[in-house]
Amino acid sequence: DTGVSQNPRHKITKRGQNVTFRCDPISEHNRLYWYRQTLGQGPEFLTYFQNEAQLEKSRLLSDRFSAERPKGSFSTLEIQRTEQGDSAMYLCASSPERGYTFGSGTRLTVV
Amino acid sequence: GDSVTQMEGPVTLSEEAFLTINCTYTATGYPSLFWYVQYPGEGLQLLLKATKADDKGSNKGFEATYRKETTSFHLEKGSVQVSDSAVYFCALSERNDYKLSFGAGTTVTVRA
Repeated sequence: DTGVSQNPRHKITKRGQNVTFRCDPISEHNRLYWYRQTLGQGPEFLTYFQNEAQLEKSRLLSDRFSAERPKGSFSTLEIQRTEQGDSAMYLCASSPERGYTFGSGTRLTVV
Repeated sequence: GDSVTQMEGPVTLSEEAFLTINCTYTATGYPSLFWYVQYPGEGLQLLLKATKADDKGSNKGFEATYRKETTSFHLEKGSVQVSDSAVYFCALSERNDYKLSFGAGTTVTVRA
């Protein structure tokens, strides 16, 4: 197992377009998290799954954002009608009962 | 709500110098405290953690002690190397391995 994998690494999109990111966690990890990191700031929590159940969503996750984790394996984060303010690094992490492992992130640029 | 405040950077040091990065926190309960490191082009990695007051976390020559009386978790290393150049994040979690609240990060550059 090579860790948490995120695709794509970089995404440039025009304002108003929809984008989808994928996260493949470490296979035996039942918890999966999404964070957003803007330039010069620390990561901010977006949402959290325990297996396939989405247990918490941050207020940062507007109705344009949706996350899924079908069958409790990989997860997708979709942003609809992107805005320039959505430009950020989107980080995924997974954990068993203890310890987080982060992926390298997907950098989104909205032009 | 929970929050973490850490020393602003950037910090530039010479090799073998002493490094300290201050971190203070605000939390309603008794959080677990963490230091994460992000090397250029890589993801966040857990550097060390402490789960209760007076615990000392240590790894790769770095240390931090959980000080409940001063709500602090300062990171220290006695002799830095060029390979320690990275961004360092202080973080807390109200429940171990649940959602993390991060500080803004401190960029450290070590020059040979």
